[in-house]
Amino acid sequence: KNEVEQSPQNLTAQEGEFITINCSYSVGISALHWLQQHPGGGIVSLFMLSSGKKKHGRLIATINIQEKHSSLHITASHPRDSAVYICAVNAGTYKYIFGTGTRLKVLA
Amino acid sequence: DAGVIQSPRHEVTEMGQEVTLRCKPISGHDYLFWYRQTMMRGLELLIYFNNNVPIDDSGMPEDRFSAKMPNASFSTLKIQPSEPRDSAVYFCASRVKGAGYNEQFFGPGTRLTVL
Repeated sequence: KNEVEQSPQNLTAQEGEFITINCSYSVGISALHWLQQHPGGGIVSLFMLSSGKKKHGRLIATINIQEKHSSLHITASHPRDSAVYICAVNAGTYKYIFGTGTRLKVLA
Repeated sequence: DAGVIQSPRHEVTEMGQEVTLRCKPISGHDYLFWYRQTMMRGLELLIYFNNNVPIDDSGMPEDRFSAKMPNASFSTLKIQPSEPRDSAVYFCASRVKGAGYNEQFFGPGTRLTVL
């Protein structure tokens, strides 16, 4: 079993829909990260969380330390949100442990 | 700042050839990470350095892979000899110096194809 699990693996949505991507982890962490990777593109950090909730534009990330779970929400989704979203954790060191990623496609 | 710089962006080579990937981290960052990304295995950490010293190379797949960081502004990942299964995108990332700064900044990646 992977230390970091994401669901769903693939997600197709219609433009305007509210989207949720989930991440569960089984190790103690110091921080959790949400990353975005567009097709053929580089990797960009969206959020770093150690507790609570963060918001940036239409993106919201939450974390529940007790339940070892985080969610990434996208409100009013748009085709340009189509990308792979990756959850990664720091488990006592600065290196990342990655989830397998969620491939999101938003249709116009 | 220009961000993390990697070269080349694309590399096509034949099996058995030596391949060298290069990375320039963001100035002032003290950690440097090399990752490999494939469809089958996703993102994997190969090795990381702190202040130019290798800290954890447990992800390096085998002796054909080696990495160096001769100074704070340059690192190389070398594969010798290369094999078709090494085909992947290789990312370099760096982390800002200081306790509590866990965020990493990724380079654009090098897409390696070994024929």
